[in-house]
Amino acid sequence: DTGVSQDPRHKITKRGQNVTFRCDPISEHNRLYWYRQTLGQGPEFLTYFQNEAQLEKSRLLSDRFSAERPKGSFSTLEIQRTEQGDSAMYLCASSLSTGRTEAFFGQGTRLTVV
Amino acid sequence: QKEVEQNSGPLSVPEGAIASLNCTYSDRGSQSFFWYRQYSGKSPELIMSIYSNGDKEDGRFTAQLNKASQYVSLLIRDSQPSDSATYLCAVFLGSNYKLTFGKGTLLTVNP
Repeated sequence: DTGVSQDPRHKITKRGQNVTFRCDPISEHNRLYWYRQTLGQGPEFLTYFQNEAQLEKSRLLSDRFSAERPKGSFSTLEIQRTEQGDSAMYLCASSLSTGRTEAFFGQGTRLTVV
Repeated sequence: QKEVEQNSGPLSVPEGAIASLNCTYSDRGSQSFFWYRQYSGKSPELIMSIYSNGDKEDGRFTAQLNKASQYVSLLIRDSQPSDSATYLCAVFLGSNYKLTFGKGTLLTVNP
């Protein structure tokens, strides 16, 4: 296992289109996080899962954002009707929920909305 | 008070000096604390974790935790130009253990 994998690495889309990102966590990790990061800011929490359960979703998110983690394995993050303000790096991280709970990040998906 | 707060920086130190990065957090019940390094255009990379009060050393890095003061710090000894990056403090907050990040401190090590 080579770590957290995200796909695609880059995405350019037109305003109003829908986009979907995928994250494959480290295989034994049961916790999976999504963050959004813009220039000069720290990662902003979007949502996280423990196994297949979505435990928390940021109140900052509009209804245009949705995430799933079917069967507690990979996860998808969908943004509907994209806006220019959605342009950012979308980061996924995974961890264990007990013991050594360090979270490890994937390489991120850079979204540009034109 | 912000949930996780860091010196905004930027912090500039000469090569070979000690760089000191600070972080405070709002949740007195937090138990797990992490430092990440992030190079420009890259994703965060975990460099230290600390769970107990006191110091934890790993090579040139030392993390310090004071739960009573809700304060965690990172010291980088013998700073190198390759240490130039943004350093992010992260804390598990709340009953759901949401991993929350500070804004980060940009460190520049000058040769």
